[in-house]
Amino acid sequence: GAGVSQSPSNKVTEKGKDVELRCDPISGHTALYWYRQSLGQGLEFLIYFQGNSAPDKSGLPSDRFSAERTGGSVSTLTIQRTQQEDSAVYLCASSLQAKYEQYFGPGTRLTVT
Amino acid sequence: KQEVTQIPAALSVPEGENLVLNCSFTDSAIYNLQWFRQDPGKGLTSLLLIQSSQREQTSGRLNASLDKSSGRSTLYIAASQPGDSATYLCAVQGGSEKLVFGKGTKLTVNP
Repeated sequence: GAGVSQSPSNKVTEKGKDVELRCDPISGHTALYWYRQSLGQGLEFLIYFQGNSAPDKSGLPSDRFSAERTGGSVSTLTIQRTQQEDSAVYLCASSLQAKYEQYFGPGTRLTVT
Repeated sequence: KQEVTQIPAALSVPEGENLVLNCSFTDSAIYNLQWFRQDPGKGLTSLLLIQSSQREQTSGRLNASLDKSSGRSTLYIAASQPGDSATYLCAVQGGSEKLVFGKGTKLTVNP
């Protein structure tokens, strides 16, 4: 079956611009996660959605980062006024339910120039 | 705060060798532990998930063990092949839903 998909695969943007990253989870998965992977920092949790519950935003690094999940399916991660330190690979994962095995998408490589 | 450490950071072995990758975590109150593989420029591929109540899981040539009380897990790869070359990541899930990752072990299997 189809796995987690993310778009775009690569995004180059100028400092100060806003960007939107999209994640399509595996159909039927109620839990969706965003992580960030940057050189020297490893993989860091950003935000978690579970069904209709309020999201866990505890990993968002600043108020320039936000995310939403519409209709319990597709999610968009938005970064406003991008900075060079935002350059990283942004990974999305989904799981059937909370605390089940997480399946990752291929990621979006963001480069801020 | 949960911290996950993976040793060694890099490992190079000849084809056919059996090998062990190590993962340790500071807080033993975990719900599960997951091993992933990451190829260069790619996302993460889930290899094995061990629930906290389990001691080990096997998939093909891979065997993962978990000693929750001592905060350790190992990934055993039997009869390594060049296609096993990748970065292997260990991650734990505790009371919150997020995974906490180690920095990975970069494995190179030489033909």
